[in-house]
Amino acid sequence: DIQMTQSPSTLSASVGDRVTITCRASQTISTWLAWYQQKPGKAPKFLVYKASTLESGVPSRFSGSGSGTEFTLTISSLQPDDFAIYYCQQYNSYPYTFGQGTKLESK
Amino acid sequence: QVQLQESGPGLVKPSETLSLTCTVSGDSFSSFYWSWIRQPPGKGLEWIGYIYDSGSTNYNPSLESRVTISEDTSINQFSLKLSSVTAADTAVYYCARARGSRPNFDYWGQGTLVTVSS
Repeated sequence: DIQMTQSPSTLSASVGDRVTITCRASQTISTWLAWYQQKPGKAPKFLVYKASTLESGVPSRFSGSGSGTEFTLTISSLQPDDFAIYYCQQYNSYPYTFGQGTKLESK
Repeated sequence: QVQLQESGPGLVKPSETLSLTCTVSGDSFSSFYWSWIRQPPGKGLEWIGYIYDSGSTNYNPSLESRVTISEDTSINQFSLKLSSVTAADTAVYYCARARGSRPNFDYWGQGTLVTVSS
């Protein structure tokens, strides 16, 4: 199985900050990477696919980049609604696997 | 707007079979991958498997010996059966739609907590 490792596990930030979450794959996955946002008690929300393509309706302050084994999700100017847990997920090969999550909390 | 809704028992006894159904509304049932994903309390996400293309399936090898995913396209539903459950199978179970030639999960149900306990 491909292991996905996110860093940091927890990120403290303030509204207006630029934040970056990193996701590393244990082997190359080209750009077959997605990002999700999950709030307490809710299902994950699909944000980014193919490493850098924003899903329709996702604010442009979100951006994704990377290829191979290293990927990032950046929020250019943090908004109150962005505090949540973020997961990366590889869909290069079966079984599909997720990172352990990065909790973005208010400083 | 696509909507997915899980249904099924919230409590299952150890060694029994967990059975859940997902009802899809708002879009065609064809041309997509219909998936199950679970999340143990306080933990991360685990892909269980999906069904597509009129009955083809793909399962996570870690669960494959115990999992069956089936569909009833006439009523826009698909189902999960997980046999011989233990406390480790306690989780929120999500159904989700996946799209594309390399599918990823664009629409999710709200999730349903299934507890395995006697």
